[in-house]
Amino acid sequence: GIQVEQSPPDLILQEGANSTLRCNFSDSVNNLQWFHQNPWGQLINLFYIPSGTKQNGRLSATTVATERYSLLYISSSQTTDSGVYFCAANQGGSEKLVFGKGMKLTVNP
Amino acid sequence: EPEVTQTPSHQVTQMGQEVILRCVPISNHLYFYWYRQILGQKVEFLVSFYNNEISEKSEIFDDQFSVERPDGSNFTLKIRSTKLEDSAMYFCASSEQGQNTEAFFGQGTRLTVV
Repeated sequence: GIQVEQSPPDLILQEGANSTLRCNFSDSVNNLQWFHQNPWGQLINLFYIPSGTKQNGRLSATTVATERYSLLYISSSQTTDSGVYFCAANQGGSEKLVFGKGMKLTVNP
Repeated sequence: EPEVTQTPSHQVTQMGQEVILRCVPISNHLYFYWYRQILGQKVEFLVSFYNNEISEKSEIFDDQFSVERPDGSNFTLKIRSTKLEDSAMYFCASSEQGQNTEAFFGQGTRLTVV
């Protein structure tokens, strides 16, 4: 089945800094999503982005499906951005979303 | 904005007991899912459900687990005889049209087996 890998595994930033999170996947995908898991454990949908580029406020994401990676950009980070970021993907013929191991982001004031 | 809701938010149960976790998916969605996350680990797929039957399941989803849509709004996960290793956060999710559409997750039920 599809493999999903995220990098870096952890990141510590000062408030106001920018960051780029990367997600590599091993096969072509039907669905790729980015989530933020907040300190209470909730999975918050950030982007549904099997291909192309989207922006939502300070966050944007790009998926290059032909090269099997997706990037999540966080600009002007805030302490509330802290948490774990997951990407997840599925491939044709499967309903199963395969999650990466996550990236723990800590934004210090 | 429509959302997936799960109850309870926390459940503590004794080993060997049966638990039922409940979910109300988004109303116009046709595909329903359960995932779990053991503390500190990644989120793992358990099962998908469409048209009143299981469409896909993982190796984790053994005979101890079952799912049901008892009425037009609820979707449940039953664990028949809980083990310590079933302690995890369980997430319900739904999507409008399955694999080619966005999945939305509930806030999770934290299950602790003692």
